[in-house]
Amino acid sequence: DAKTTQPPSMDCAEGRAANLPCNHSTISGNEYVYWYRQIHSQGPQYIIHGLKNNETNEMASLIITEDRKSSTLILPHATLRDTAVYYCIVRASSGSARQLTFGSGTQLTVLP
Amino acid sequence: EPEVTQTPSHQVTQMGQEVILRCVPISNHLYFYWYRQILGQKVEFLVSFYNNEISEKSEIFDDQFSVERPDGSNFTLKIRSTKLEDSAMYFCASSPRFYNEQFFGPGTRLTVL
Repeated sequence: DAKTTQPPSMDCAEGRAANLPCNHSTISGNEYVYWYRQIHSQGPQYIIHGLKNNETNEMASLIITEDRKSSTLILPHATLRDTAVYYCIVRASSGSARQLTFGSGTQLTVLP
Repeated sequence: EPEVTQTPSHQVTQMGQEVILRCVPISNHLYFYWYRQILGQKVEFLVSFYNNEISEKSEIFDDQFSVERPDGSNFTLKIRSTKLEDSAMYFCASSPRFYNEQFFGPGTRLTVL
């Protein structure tokens, strides 16, 4: 699976959009971009994933660049409860049961 | 909304003892996983399980570890002879198919004394 690079930390004001970047320049054609978050040692929580089109669900939006070498997770109206470590993970869509390879992620702190 | 559950939430054991960590995956899921996270470190993959056999395992998953699905609902991780360095949060996860998102349980904190 391709390696990802994320900033170690970011702050965001409550109520504002949080934009979390991720670089995955070595991504290959069959690899998806997944985003998970982990709130203070709880189990990681799935947020969203995509292949090449932008995706939106009730939690967030995922914007993937046309060359697929980077992506941005957008939390449209961040709340204090969104303070967490956010992980960008690239994962193949084929093969055997695929593990998730977690990096260090981005610590997002939502400020009141 | 269905969720993965894990018991116990916290397990304290003496070095050398055997422990069994239990998980109940989401009922219609077919793929099961164990991960661990040592305090302050990354979440690490241990093992994946499908159709009653191990699909993948990491270097961490050595002979002292084993997994089992003893019945239609539980998925267990056994550590035969615990070491101090096994102290960590252990997370179970499940997914309906191997390429789907994985849903994680709340974790079991294992403390080896």
